[in-house]
Amino acid sequence: EVQLVQSGAEVKTPGESLKISCKASGYSFTTYWIAWVRQMPGKGLEWMGIIYPGDSDTRYSPSFQGQVTISADKSITTAYLQWSSLKASDTAMYYCARPHSSGWFAFHIWGQGTMVTVSS
Amino acid sequence: DIVMTQSPLSLPVTPGEPASISCRSGQSLLHSDGYNYLEWYLQKPGQSPQLLIYLGSNRASGVPDRFSGSGSGTDFTLKISRVEAEDVGVYYCMQVLQIPRYTFGQGTKLEIK
Repeated sequence: EVQLVQSGAEVKTPGESLKISCKASGYSFTTYWIAWVRQMPGKGLEWMGIIYPGDSDTRYSPSFQGQVTISADKSITTAYLQWSSLKASDTAMYYCARPHSSGWFAFHIWGQGTMVTVSS
Repeated sequence: DIVMTQSPLSLPVTPGEPASISCRSGQSLLHSDGYNYLEWYLQKPGQSPQLLIYLGSNRASGVPDRFSGSGSGTDFTLKISRVEAEDVGVYYCMQVLQIPRYTFGQGTKLEIK
């Protein structure tokens, strides 16, 4: 079964660093892009960026460029989203998603989401 | 970035009745390959989003045939032929023409009357 399993909820204080994960299984990890999507509390979906684990080619939405880092570790079929210094405005649910084919659209497989709460 | 505008934002529907959601894009999503790079997602309460429609009118695997997508260029529509109780949630359109500048619409909340 193809699935993406995300790491658990996090509660952090402003200024802390954080790395959340998205563990892929059931398919060839290096041949499909993986995207990250943000959903702030009570708000809509925002597309953050995408990575190709095969060669770590990474593309960021301009709104998130420089704010987060997307990475992947082929050896453990896991993608990551990380922050070096969290802000309260980073409080949100974060989803990873994979396209249904080798392209970079039609996100058919989604993780269950990781809730990040940043509060002093 | 391409702005995506959905209407209505709230949609109360009686079970068994049809429903329609409009999505307009700030520029044409019709690629030179002939496809419209427009997708529809449904986020049911407390769940992750799920893909309904891709390339404007292609139903994703496992999506009931009561869901259909149409349109081209800048105007798109998601139609549900007969709404069922399990269809409640927020529907989003998303343009995937410009990587990495993908953008979602604001969302349309479908509720049962």
